[in-house]
Amino acid sequence: GAVVSQHPSWVICKSGTSVKIECRSLDFQATTMFWYRQFPKQSLMLMATSNEGSKATYEQGVEKDKFLINHASLTLSTLTVTSAHPEDSSFYICSAPDRASGGETQYFGPGTRLLVL
Amino acid sequence: DAKTTQPPSMDCAEGRAANLPCNHSTISGNEYVYWYRQIHSQGPQYIIHGLKNNETNEMASLIITEDRKSSTLILPHATLRDTAVYYCIVTNQGGKLIFGQGTELSVKP
Repeated sequence: GAVVSQHPSWVICKSGTSVKIECRSLDFQATTMFWYRQFPKQSLMLMATSNEGSKATYEQGVEKDKFLINHASLTLSTLTVTSAHPEDSSFYICSAPDRASGGETQYFGPGTRLLVL
Repeated sequence: DAKTTQPPSMDCAEGRAANLPCNHSTISGNEYVYWYRQIHSQGPQYIIHGLKNNETNEMASLIITEDRKSSTLILPHATLRDTAVYYCIVTNQGGKLIFGQGTELSVKP
């Protein structure tokens, strides 16, 4: 299947700082990417849809000014957690649909674990 | 998107077939059934998907009932590495994937 990468794989930061997470589709282009968050022992929660060349669309309850999304190219979307606080500590995962595969199968990155101290 | 119901947990003996059920009684005509799994601390892995016909690939088989209200994912010869949380999701192609709680499959030696 198609490959999606994320960087960094884990990050520790101080409260009040901003953290940027990158999501890349390595062998296909993605005009849309999705960002999820997962707390321990819970399921994945969809945060937002990243759209290449236009604004991201956020799910209800997700603060767009806190979680800035930029989809600068057909292979890269970034999620910036601004002014991070300990409650933002979580596992952040992105996905991208590979439309060239003959369907719309979404492939997921390996995730980024964020710890805010 | 239609909602799915899965048992919270299942056990399976190593080498035996693992049959994971999923109910999706409100599925609409253009929605597909997708299966993903998540091994601890990793991103979800795509397994298989189907619309109405049964599907098979190198990982698993997907059996969808004729009325499409339920499906079963079959891992023909489960190994310890198949221990994971398995998610059944129904959605339009290209649509958002909304994850439920999934089934935690434990493959035991």
